[in-house]
Amino acid sequence: AQKVTQAQTEISVVEKEDVTLDCVYETRDTTYYLFWYKQPPSGELVFLIRRNSFDEQNEISGRYSWNFQKSTSSFNFTITASQVVDSAVYFCALSEYNDMRFGAGTRLTVKP
Amino acid sequence: DAGITQSPRHKVTETGTPVTLRCHQTENHRYMYWYRQDPGHGLRLIHYSYGVKDTDKGEVSDGYSVSRSKTEDFLLTLESATSSQTSVYFCAISEGYRGNEQFFGPGTRLTVL
Repeated sequence: AQKVTQAQTEISVVEKEDVTLDCVYETRDTTYYLFWYKQPPSGELVFLIRRNSFDEQNEISGRYSWNFQKSTSSFNFTITASQVVDSAVYFCALSEYNDMRFGAGTRLTVKP
Repeated sequence: DAGITQSPRHKVTETGTPVTLRCHQTENHRYMYWYRQDPGHGLRLIHYSYGVKDTDKGEVSDGYSVSRSKTEDFLLTLESATSSQTSVYFCAISEGYRGNEQFFGPGTRLTVL
């Protein structure tokens, strides 16, 4: 069965620090998709990125970057120069077929 | 933002009463999903729909039923609510399956006393 583990329950950093959120997944399928979602204090879920299993290129979007490594079944998310507005719960998710399995989430607090 | 609304946004009910949550989309997406969010569990899939009248169970479907009579509406029913169903419920939509990003509604906070 597919499974997503986000071992870091809570992380607290000071503004401008870099922070990496870890995501480890388990799957027996060769074709799958990985996602990151952000849930700010207001409660909505915001899609951040999708990556398929055949594309191991790292991606950078502004201060956000993602490192996908099939060898270690990890899809880690780094925020560079964190800001208070980055405070949120971040979810990693894995999709094999029609469903999506989410990790338990990592709560990131960025202090001014 | 994807046009997804959920109603009601908040509900308090008593154990044993039936409850129906509604998800409405204006995007004409084929796939719709119901999740529940609980601390320590992230989001877990309850049921999903891949077309009008076509639904299937998710990871935590016991105690829930769904219906989809129109493309735009997906209903989640708790036939007899229990305290363990106290949760935040999210509806999501996607254009396709397997790898398409899902867009989420604002959520419904349900409290079963």
